Amino acid sequence: NAGVTQTPKFRVLKTGQSMTLLCAQDMNHEYMYWYRQDPGMGLRLIHYSVGEGTTAKGEVPDGYNVSRLKKQNFLLGLESAAPSQTSVYFCASSLLGALPEAFFGQGTRLTVV
Amino acid sequence: SQQGEEDPQALSIQEGENATMNCSYKTSINNLQWYRQNSGRGLVHLILIRSNEREKHSGRLRVTLDTSKKSSSLLITASRAADTASYFCATDAGGGNKLTFGTGTQLKVEL
Repeated sequence: NAGVTQTPKFRVLKTGQSMTLLCAQDMNHEYMYWYRQDPGMGLRLIHYSVGEGTTAKGEVPDGYNVSRLKKQNFLLGLESAAPSQTSVYFCASSLLGALPEAFFGQGTRLTVV
Repeated sequence: SQQGEEDPQALSIQEGENATMNCSYKTSINNLQWYRQNSGRGLVHLILIRSNEREKHSGRLRVTLDTSKKSSSLLITASRAADTASYFCATDAGGGNKLTFGTGTQLKVEL
């Protein structure tokens, strides 16, 4: 049982480049989330989805787009990367919102130079 | 802004001692959860406490919740070096569709 899988694990981008981070879960969870983690800031919610075909903005959505075309996948896109988007990105999924718990991927370390 | 803030930001103790971390949050919640993050890894769920509960135990973990003060504490008893990690509280503010995390406490347990 793989749980939540993120690809890639590491990436270096030049300013202005675009990329897509993929999150896949095999637990048939309805809810999926993208967070970013920066030193001293904890985890901040970027976007989330409450089911296939739905997306919603979180706390820090600017500069990011998401899509949930299939229930098991949640994609996070950076259209024009900026150094401020250098961070560790975590995907998570849960069965029913905040209950009973969220399962996290291992993270993607992104550096924008 | 962060819904939760942990205190202290960092904590260093000796193996065998107890570790206590506190979490304060801003808005009403239905439940509060604690997660653990080992360096460079994803978060792992530890325990959930509902708003109508005051205390909950799981192994060496004890969580308390005071909704009147909007605060929670996580106690790890008889700590081990393997407990070294960052600990985060998370709440379901915003209608229960999402988890909002605090800033975390870095715990170091020394031999």
